[in-house]
Amino acid sequence: DVKVTQSSRYLVKRTGEKVFLECVQDMDHENMFWYRQDPGLGLRLIYFSYDVKMKEKGDIPEGYSVSREKKERFSLILESASTNQTSMYLCASSFGQGINSPLHFGNGTRLTVT
Amino acid sequence: GQSLEQPSEVTAVEGAIVQINCTYQTSGFYGLSWYQQHDGGAPTFLSYNALDGLEETGRFSSFLSRSDSYGYLLLQELQMKDSASYFCAVPSGGFKTIFGAGTRLFVKA
Repeated sequence: DVKVTQSSRYLVKRTGEKVFLECVQDMDHENMFWYRQDPGLGLRLIYFSYDVKMKEKGDIPEGYSVSREKKERFSLILESASTNQTSMYLCASSFGQGINSPLHFGNGTRLTVT
Repeated sequence: GQSLEQPSEVTAVEGAIVQINCTYQTSGFYGLSWYQQHDGGAPTFLSYNALDGLEETGRFSSFLSRSDSYGYLLLQELQMKDSASYFCAVPSGGFKTIFGAGTRLFVKA
């Protein structure tokens, strides 16, 4: 089974702090994604990466950046956390370039910014 | 733009059949996926329809009509453990997947 592991289940940070969310997958998947999930809005794509050192903006990249130095690890960075970034953050990975390649998600990190 | 519409909540009785609908507007259509997410858990992939018609996987089936920009997820013989949120999703050019807002299914005894 594919395992996508997010380093923290819950995080509480202060406004203005730099925040790192880490994600590791163990199935050698090329593609990795960061989504945020908010009630009534579903899952919205922040950033994704289809190869090491490659990154692409998703639909809501403002206030975020990412890093992918190794194939198995994809980090989401909040440069200066704000209260409107309080949310559930989900990391996912997928295999290859198939348009229908299913996403495998981690259990999420619930971030609270105070 | 791209959007997916699905009902916010559905309630059904254990043992019954329930249908969760999804309508979509996309620029370029490649197929419709469904994901299940239990409270506190990760979304998990259920099914993918690229062509019109019904795909069956055990108690779950998924249907697609490309001409109507519409699909649904059908859950039969409902069990309490089926209480979860269900998301329809579409590939959106390259590697992106766009999700609907989700339908929360409540199964009552």
